[in-house]
Amino acid sequence: GENVEQHPSTLSVQEGDSAVIKCTYSDSASNYFPWYKQELGKRPQLIIDIRSNVGEKKDQRIAVTLNKTAKHFSLHITETQPEDSAVYFCAANGGGGADGLTFGKGTHLIIQP
Amino acid sequence: GAGVSQSPSNKVTEKGKDVELRCDPISGHTALYWYRQSLGQGLEFLIYFQGNSAPDKSGLPSDRFSAERTGGSVSTLTIQRTQQEDSAVYLCASSPLQGLETQYFGPGTRLLVL
Repeated sequence: GENVEQHPSTLSVQEGDSAVIKCTYSDSASNYFPWYKQELGKRPQLIIDIRSNVGEKKDQRIAVTLNKTAKHFSLHITETQPEDSAVYFCAANGGGGADGLTFGKGTHLIIQP
Repeated sequence: GAGVSQSPSNKVTEKGKDVELRCDPISGHTALYWYRQSLGQGLEFLIYFQGNSAPDKSGLPSDRFSAERTGGSVSTLTIQRTQQEDSAVYLCASSPLQGLETQYFGPGTRLLVL
């Protein structure tokens, strides 16, 4: 099955700086990679996703890059703001037609004022 | 439109009792997923439904866990003879189709087994 590793587990950055969270996956058949943001006590919310036919996708201050050869993908947040503080989860779908998503263990992003 | 809803929002039970958790997916979504999130942990996939069928039940932690979906809509996750290690938030998600489709999560049911 799919295995997703996520790093770092905690990331503290100064407000206005950039934050990068990295994930690796094991199943080369995975072709869908969403990122979810989860605030304390709330449900995960999709913030951006990327499919394996593209290498990069950007939405305002958020971008995701995918390297299929190396089997890793990253989330980039620029000009961080206090409301970006949350836990971020990466995920991979382990082959497209399969089951549910396999999630990383999450990154607690802390934005320092 | 209405999102994914789950009930109850919180459930406290005694060890050994059975519990039933309910998920109402977004109308028209054919795929439904159950996940478990233990305190401070990531999301663990349990089971998914395509329509009323569950092609893969291998994510269920033990035979005390079962799930069903009727009418291609509402799903229930049942945990029999609950154990303390079952304490977690149980999240349901739905998507229009299986595979390359965004999953929309419900608010979760917080289960505490005493």
